[in-house]
Amino acid sequence: DAMVIQNPRYQVTQFGKPVTLSCSQTLNHNVMYWYQQKSSQAPKLLFHYYDKDFNNEADTPDNFQSRRPNTSFCFLDIRSPGLGDAAMYLCATSRASGAVNSNQPQHFGDGTRLSIL
Amino acid sequence: AQKVTQAQTEISVVEKEDVTLDCVYETRDTTYYLFWYKQPPSGELVFLIRRNSFDEQNEISGRYSWNFQKSTSSFNFTITASQVVDSAVYFCALRTGGTYKYIFGTGTRLKVLA
Repeated sequence: DAMVIQNPRYQVTQFGKPVTLSCSQTLNHNVMYWYQQKSSQAPKLLFHYYDKDFNNEADTPDNFQSRRPNTSFCFLDIRSPGLGDAAMYLCATSRASGAVNSNQPQHFGDGTRLSIL
Repeated sequence: AQKVTQAQTEISVVEKEDVTLDCVYETRDTTYYLFWYKQPPSGELVFLIRRNSFDEQNEISGRYSWNFQKSTSSFNFTITASQVVDSAVYFCALRTGGTYKYIFGTGTRLKVLA
């Protein structure tokens, strides 16, 4: 089945040690998103790609970077994780149908729960 | 500015009761899209329904129904005869035309008790 896959499901890293979370998709969607979700809160958009066009949210810390080497893969790099970065990280995709006015839903992966020691 | 408000933080019902989850949105755009997602305890967000601003038809899918009213900027979600498996956090989301960004409400945690 076509889907959005996030690895790993759980990630533990040390304070200040760089960590990379990965996301892959078989939906061939051209828009990919990274969200941070803390307990009992709404998902918070960090950035998104439209094809290779990177769009960073104004309040996303510089500590968070992203790479999209091809349509299928997108990575979230946290350069120096702090305790406040412990959260669920959600990857999502959507299909832009050539017109930005389209009601295509987002498809989410299962998330990666990041813990900081 | 765009905003989604889900005023109900948590709702508890007994199995087989009907329950309505409220969603109020704000946007100045005339073209926009509304969505509901379910997030069970396992964590993944599951798409339930979408509506665009030009389509105010209500929809029913099994035990689920949605009431979209532009006059009150609301997109409410009703579960009929709730079941324990409906227990989850439900998010309402808004996307305006001209952007690929989705704005989520803070979610409503629904607990269905056996």
